[in-house]
Amino acid sequence: GESVGLHLPTLSVQEGDNSIINCAYSNSASDYFIWYKQESGKGPQFIIDIRSNMDKRQGQRVTVLLNKTVKHLSLQIAATQPGDSAVYFCAENGNTGNQFYFGTGTSLTVIP
Amino acid sequence: DTGVSQDPRHKITKRGQNVTFRCDPISEHNRLYWYRQTLGQGPEFLTYFQNEAQLEKSRLLSDRFSAERPKGSFSTLEIQRTEQGDSAMYLCASSLVGTGSEQYFGPGTRLTVT
Repeated sequence: GESVGLHLPTLSVQEGDNSIINCAYSNSASDYFIWYKQESGKGPQFIIDIRSNMDKRQGQRVTVLLNKTVKHLSLQIAATQPGDSAVYFCAENGNTGNQFYFGTGTSLTVIP
Repeated sequence: DTGVSQDPRHKITKRGQNVTFRCDPISEHNRLYWYRQTLGQGPEFLTYFQNEAQLEKSRLLSDRFSAERPKGSFSTLEIQRTEQGDSAMYLCASSLVGTGSEQYFGPGTRLTVT
């Protein structure tokens, strides 16, 4: 099956700093990727997505970068806030495109 | 609230009992997904429906698990003869048809099998 993994399981940043969360995926057939944020006791919440025909996409305070050559995704959060503290997952849509494969997650802690 | 809802939010059951969970997707979404999530892990795909048709099932979905979406709206996930290893968060998500359609998740049902 697909393997989606994160380089760092935990990340601590000072409030106001920028955060970068990395993700490696293994299926070159994946053409759609999503970053999710999950707070304790809640379901994953969509943050930003990117299709394989793009290498960068920006949202509000977040940017996703896609490097298909090395099968790598990153999520950049600008001016990190305490409310950004959560577990972040990347997900890829795999061979069929209909189911998503999630990585283990990175726990982000923002220090006030 | 027009998001995905799940019921119950928590379920404690004894090993060997059957349990059933319900998911109500966003009303205009014709795809509905079930995932299982254990502590510290990302969600694992179980199955998905397009309208009332169950189109894909994971190898993780043993014979004790069955899912239905009889009218193409809400869905139920039943686990028969529960085992302690079934303890997990069961998440439901919905989306529109089409590869690359964003999935919206519900709050999940936390199952504890004692």
